[in-house]
Amino acid sequence: GESVGLHLPTLSVQEGDNSIINCAYSNSASDYFIWYKQESGKGPQFIIDIRSNMDKRQGQRVTVLLNKTVKHLSLQIAATQPGDSAVYFCAVPTSGTYKYIFGTGTRLKVLA
Amino acid sequence: DVKVTQSSRYLVKRTGEKVFLECVQDMDHENMFWYRQDPGLGLRLIYFSYDVKMKEKGDIPEGYSVSREKKERFSLILESASTNQTSMYLCASSDQRGAREQYFGPGTRLTVT
Repeated sequence: GESVGLHLPTLSVQEGDNSIINCAYSNSASDYFIWYKQESGKGPQFIIDIRSNMDKRQGQRVTVLLNKTVKHLSLQIAATQPGDSAVYFCAVPTSGTYKYIFGTGTRLKVLA
Repeated sequence: DVKVTQSSRYLVKRTGEKVFLECVQDMDHENMFWYRQDPGLGLRLIYFSYDVKMKEKGDIPEGYSVSREKKERFSLILESASTNQTSMYLCASSDQRGAREQYFGPGTRLTVT
């Protein structure tokens, strides 16, 4: 079946450094990808999305890169701040449905 | 702003009780979802609804049922709560046209003792 995996369960970065969170997916037909941020005790919050006809998309301090050849996407956070501390996970729609497969998440810890 | 609300943030119930979790969205979305979230397992889909009175089983429907009588409201029912249903329950909604991201509620942390 289709799957989504994240490479690291935890990532610690110094405040001000850049963070990179990775995600791998299995279905080469996937055409849309989302990154969510979940702060402690809250529901997931949409950060940024990317369609398969793009390699890169930028938002405010965040960039998502998509490599369809190796079925990998990454979320880059520039100048990481304490407020970025959260669990980040990617979501990929399953073929032909409105349902998503979610990665298990990477917990980002920002060190002062 | 899309708003998805859930009836309770925290619930404590006893084994065998019937539990209702309610979710309401205000963006006229067709799709609504119920997930549970457990450490190390990520988000797992329990049930999904793409229209009023329509429902589809997700990956872990056993022990749960759902009801969608109105477009904006999607209820999750635990017919007889068990301790292994202690979890964080998240509701989400999405549009069937245009943007496809799911919008999540704040979650209900359910403890079954």
